[in-house]
Amino acid sequence: RKEVEQDPGPFNVPEGATVAFNCTYSNSASQSFFWYRQDCRKEPKLLMSVYSSGNEDGRFTAQLNRASQYISLLIRDSKLSDSATYLCVVPRGGNKLTFGTGTQLKVEL
Amino acid sequence: DTGVSQDPRHKITKRGQNVTFRCDPISEHNRLYWYRQTLGQGPEFLTYFQNEAQLEKSRLLSDRFSAERPKGSFSTLEIQRTEQGDSAMYLCASSSSSYEQYFGPGTRLTVT
Repeated sequence: RKEVEQDPGPFNVPEGATVAFNCTYSNSASQSFFWYRQDCRKEPKLLMSVYSSGNEDGRFTAQLNRASQYISLLIRDSKLSDSATYLCVVPRGGNKLTFGTGTQLKVEL
Repeated sequence: DTGVSQDPRHKITKRGQNVTFRCDPISEHNRLYWYRQTLGQGPEFLTYFQNEAQLEKSRLLSDRFSAERPKGSFSTLEIQRTEQGDSAMYLCASSSSSYEQYFGPGTRLTVT
């Protein structure tokens, strides 16, 4: 099993839709998790941190299910500018970050 | 701009040549990381510094790769005798005491 697994997509959704991505991780000892956003040919940018059961920031909600070892990212009222690749990230000993392959989101008119 | 900066942004080199990349972290961050990213993949960890000490190196980092952070500020990543498989985006990130890492714009290396 990969350390971090994501559905690569793409997810094509209309503007205004709600979309959710899941990410599974293998290390049950992991305590913190992150979602990064990466635009085409740009660097990853931190979107949300998840240290307990979940986190909410405006239209974005991240939830953690430790029993099933997955993290989800929910985007409500999606906008054209949300089109990007969303990377699920799990720290692995010594501050190393392990990235999933990313889920591509395309928001369309 | 007080973010992480990297130089150069693009590098095209011929196979067998040596290349060196530079990273300037956010000034108050004592931790610095190098990652490599290829198309369709997430970034992969290469190495990590805390201040000037290199604390961890990935098995991905072959003997041709070396990284330094001589005064605990900027860092350099050198690749000797480049190979076509080295073509990738090389990303630098920095952090303070938390896990939250902030990335620079990357150096895109193309080996011909």
